[in-house]
Amino acid sequence: KAGVTQTPRYLIKTRGQQVTLSCSPISGHRSVSWYQQTPGQGLQFLFEYFSETQRNKGNFPGRFSGRQFSNSRSEMNVSTLELGDSALYLCASSLDGETGYGYTFGSGTRLTVV
Amino acid sequence: DQQVKQNSPSLSVQEGRISILNCDYTNSMFDYFLWYKKYPAEGPTFLISISSIKDKNEDGRFTVFLNKSAKHLSLHIVPSQPGDSAVYFCAARSMNRDDKIIFGKGTRLHILP
Repeated sequence: KAGVTQTPRYLIKTRGQQVTLSCSPISGHRSVSWYQQTPGQGLQFLFEYFSETQRNKGNFPGRFSGRQFSNSRSEMNVSTLELGDSALYLCASSLDGETGYGYTFGSGTRLTVV
Repeated sequence: DQQVKQNSPSLSVQEGRISILNCDYTNSMFDYFLWYKKYPAEGPTFLISISSIKDKNEDGRFTVFLNKSAKHLSLHIVPSQPGDSAVYFCAARSMNRDDKIIFGKGTRLHILP
């Protein structure tokens, strides 16, 4: 079966712009989580969506937002981009967010803010 | 406040020897732990997990040990192979189904020829 698909793979944006990243989970998975990876900071949790509802949120400013559609696809949006937002953004899906077998991650979107 | 700590940013191990990656946690509510492996330009992939009712879980060359009293877990890779060179993330969560998985900062493992 198809894995977790993230688009685009690479993105270059200018400070002040906004960006939307997309994530298509594994078919049948209803939970989608977003993480930001930067050098030295590991994977930092952004938010989790389950059945179109935000179930968990990390400690990121309000410029970071997301949503989930009825087909479980998810988007995250970052407004008023800052240089520090340059990172690899990873999406992970699971059946229902249950602990059991962890998440399946996509390959990520590499965002560069210049 | 970092709830999952991987204090070694990098580790070099000779091929064929044992690799030991360590992880500490602070939240006593955590009772499920996972290890992920990440290659450059790819997303992390699930490697092995352990629940708090066990102190050891083995899968082929990979073994995870959990010491609840010390809030410490470790991943052993025996024998280490060149393809094991990657970044390894330790992760944890509580059994509360609404809780998120918390990741450490990762340890970069280099397997030397």
